[in-house]
Amino acid sequence: NAGVMQNPRHLVRRRGQEARLRCSPMKGHSHVYWYRQLPEEGLKFMVYLQKENIIDESGMPKERFSAEFPKEGPSILRIQQVVRGDSAAYFCASSTGFSYGYTFGSGTRLTVV
Amino acid sequence: AQKVTQAQTEISVVEKEDVTLDCVYETRDTTYYLFWYKQPPSGELVFLIRRNSFDEQNEISGRYSWNFQKSTSSFNFTITASQVVDSAVYFCALSEAETGNQFYFGTGTSLTVIP
Repeated sequence: NAGVMQNPRHLVRRRGQEARLRCSPMKGHSHVYWYRQLPEEGLKFMVYLQKENIIDESGMPKERFSAEFPKEGPSILRIQQVVRGDSAAYFCASSTGFSYGYTFGSGTRLTVV
Repeated sequence: AQKVTQAQTEISVVEKEDVTLDCVYETRDTTYYLFWYKQPPSGELVFLIRRNSFDEQNEISGRYSWNFQKSTSSFNFTITASQVVDSAVYFCALSEAETGNQFYFGTGTSLTVIP
């Protein structure tokens, strides 16, 4: 019974490159959430998706960030033209639709150099 | 306004001491859930407990205990007889039924247990 799988665990990008973070939800979970943890801070909500739909993206920066959860395959958080301030840990969680049933992945640590 | 406040940024205790981590939350919802997570130096989030707003019973799990008090909007976490392996950042989080899509996390309390 695999949990929420995130890859890569660590990602290094140069300024201006693109970063793609992947999240495979737990089996049976069709709801995916992305959170960002900046250094020395708590996690902040970014986006909530269901298959092929973005339900709530109120926490997403307006530019350069996008997320998708296609019918087949993992959810992808994409950051274009990364800047140093994007360096953070990005956590994905999945659920059956109720927030009390969240399961978090181990996170992807993005470092922008 | 911060929905979850963890006023203690850092705490250091000597091994075997008891330590309480404070969490104060703010919500207008009558139905909500409170959580504690542990984040060890390896970085992953480890689920510790979930409590719903209708269950004010205190809970004990081994050396861990939680005190939920709706009257003071607090959900405090106590570690009894602390051990070095308890050293981590601990996060308190709130999920509301009305905006049930997201968690609101506190800023975390970094606990260091000194041998």
